[in-house]
Amino acid sequence: GDSVTQMEGPVTLSEEAFLTINCTYTATGYPSLFWYVQYPGEGLQLLLKATKADDKGSNKGFEATYRKETTSFHLEKGSVQVSDSAVYFCALPSGGGNKLTFGTGTQLKVEL
Amino acid sequence: DTAVSQTPKYLVTQMGNDKSIKCEQNLGHDTMYWYKQDSKKFLKIMFSYNNKELIINETVPNRFSPKSPDKAHLNLHINSLELGDSAVYFCASSVTPLTSGSPGELFFGEGSRLTVL
Repeated sequence: GDSVTQMEGPVTLSEEAFLTINCTYTATGYPSLFWYVQYPGEGLQLLLKATKADDKGSNKGFEATYRKETTSFHLEKGSVQVSDSAVYFCALPSGGGNKLTFGTGTQLKVEL
Repeated sequence: DTAVSQTPKYLVTQMGNDKSIKCEQNLGHDTMYWYKQDSKKFLKIMFSYNNKELIINETVPNRFSPKSPDKAHLNLHINSLELGDSAVYFCASSVTPLTSGSPGELFFGEGSRLTVL
């Protein structure tokens, strides 16, 4: 079935460092791809998305490009802040579009 | 106004008890979900309802029974609670389908942390 695989955490960075969180997908066709973020003690919220190949999603300084050649949707940010500390989930629709399947989540901790 | 609200936020109970979690969304969405998040943050879908009709039931023990009285509400009742049921349960809603070209966004509640002792 359709699935996503993301890098294991935790990832610990210093403030202003460059962030990459890898995500690759397995799917029939070219589904929309999503990154969700979960801040401590909260539910998940959509960070960004891309609906077709070569699209770039961006929000709050984060970017991810939908690359069908490498079946990837890596999350990047040029300069992380302490407030970016959270768990990040890659996701795609599955089950005929009736649900989102999430990756295992990557915990990011940003230190001063 | 909170878009997706769940109650209670915390629930501590003994093994063998029965408990319920309630969820309401005011977004006008047709589809609602229950996800379970374990201690390692892994998220797994349990159920999905579309316009009060069950469309996904992901091999969840039948001790778990969802109920959707209308498309704005989805409740989760758990019978005979076990230690392994301890988790955070998230309710979510969306416009369906989640296929390419649709808004494709799930809106999550803040979660209900269930601890079974």
